[in-house]
Amino acid sequence: GENVEQHPSTLSVQEGDSAVIKCTYSDSASNYFPWYKQELGKRPQLIIDIRSNVGEKKDQRIAVTLNKTAKHFSLHITETQPEDSAVYFCAASIFSGGYNKLIFGAGTRLAVHP
Amino acid sequence: NAGVTQTPKFQVLKTGQSMTLQCAQDMNHNSMYWYRQDPGMGLRLIYYSASEGTTDKGEVPNGYNVSRLNKREFSLRLESAAPSQTSVYFCASSEPRYEQYFGPGTRLTVT
Repeated sequence: GENVEQHPSTLSVQEGDSAVIKCTYSDSASNYFPWYKQELGKRPQLIIDIRSNVGEKKDQRIAVTLNKTAKHFSLHITETQPEDSAVYFCAASIFSGGYNKLIFGAGTRLAVHP
Repeated sequence: NAGVTQTPKFQVLKTGQSMTLQCAQDMNHNSMYWYRQDPGMGLRLIYYSASEGTTDKGEVPNGYNVSRLNKREFSLRLESAAPSQTSVYFCASSEPRYEQYFGPGTRLTVT
């Protein structure tokens, strides 16, 4: 089955720096790659996603890139702010039969220091 | 519009006790999911329901059962709780090919 590996497990940056989180997946049939942000004690919330027919997607300070050949995708956060501090999860799935079975990475705890 | 709701928020069980976690969504989504979240392991899919009347096993189904009561509601049952089931449980819902929306979670402790 699908396996998703995420690195690093913790990341500490200074406010204003960029942060990069990387994930690799095993199933070449995967076609949907979301990123979720989870603040302490809260539910995961989608921040950006990318489908396999696209190589890059941006939304303000957040971007995701996908390399299907190498089976890896990355989250890039520019101009980090203290409110970006949270745990970030990548996931991969195959849209199939009307449902979306996500397999998550283990998460990256991002700390942004003022 | 409440989105995805879960009850209870917290629960403490003794080993061997049973309980049902409730989940409801008001977004008219067809698909619903149950995950567990353990420290350092991300979220793992327990069961999912692609549509009303269907359920299927995910990555870690052992020790759990589910019921898709109607389009809105999807419950998770622990028949005989074990300490290894101590976790935070999240319910989610989605339309096909769109993002999953998560509920607020249930923090379960089994002693």
